[in-house]
Amino acid sequence: GQNIDQPTEMTATEGAIVQINCTYQTSGFNGLFWYQQHAGEAPTFLSYNVLDGLEEKGRFSSFLSRSKGYSYLLLKELQMKDSASYLCAVRDGDYKLSFGAGTTVTVRA
Amino acid sequence: IAGITQAPTSQILAAGRRMTLRCTQDMRHNAMYWYRQDLGLGLRLIHYSNTAGTTGKGEVPDGYSVSRANTDDFPLTLASAVPSQTSVYFCASSTGTNNEQFFGPGTRLTVL
Repeated sequence: GQNIDQPTEMTATEGAIVQINCTYQTSGFNGLFWYQQHAGEAPTFLSYNVLDGLEEKGRFSSFLSRSKGYSYLLLKELQMKDSASYLCAVRDGDYKLSFGAGTTVTVRA
Repeated sequence: IAGITQAPTSQILAAGRRMTLRCTQDMRHNAMYWYRQDLGLGLRLIHYSNTAGTTGKGEVPDGYSVSRANTDDFPLTLASAVPSQTSVYFCASSTGTNNEQFFGPGTRLTVL
């Protein structure tokens, strides 16, 4: 099985940067995903890392270190609409996803 | 329709009743999944199907069954509902096991 840890909550100011860390212990590894979930809505895909390094997509970037079992999601130039839960998910050796409990980010004006 | 639909949106159910949650996708995705989401626990995989005609058990399969008669539909059945099955249920699909998953809008189920 998987053990995936991420902070429960984070608060930041509009226009700032926030980094959400995710650590994992896995039985097999075939990639790490980040999803965004607004309250009462479905998760939506943000990013995917399978090799070490940084993947940048607009205001969002995701980093992976497989040797450390570590990833982070970086949100830049925060906007009010970025207030949501961010889910870290690891794909295991059987290609099934295991999710962390999610990090709720609150953006203040 | 476009994407994934789930029905019903929400349901209140008496314990012991049988319930089927419906999931349909029109993207011709091979793989489909059922998750439950509970506060503080995140999304947990119940059952999955890598292709029509095949199904597999996820992390929390007990009390649930699925079928995959065709590519588009993946119903989840609770044979005899219990209060611990109160949750939000999400269906998801992907083009293959190696790709990102797209989620339906969810079904909020309350078992009393």
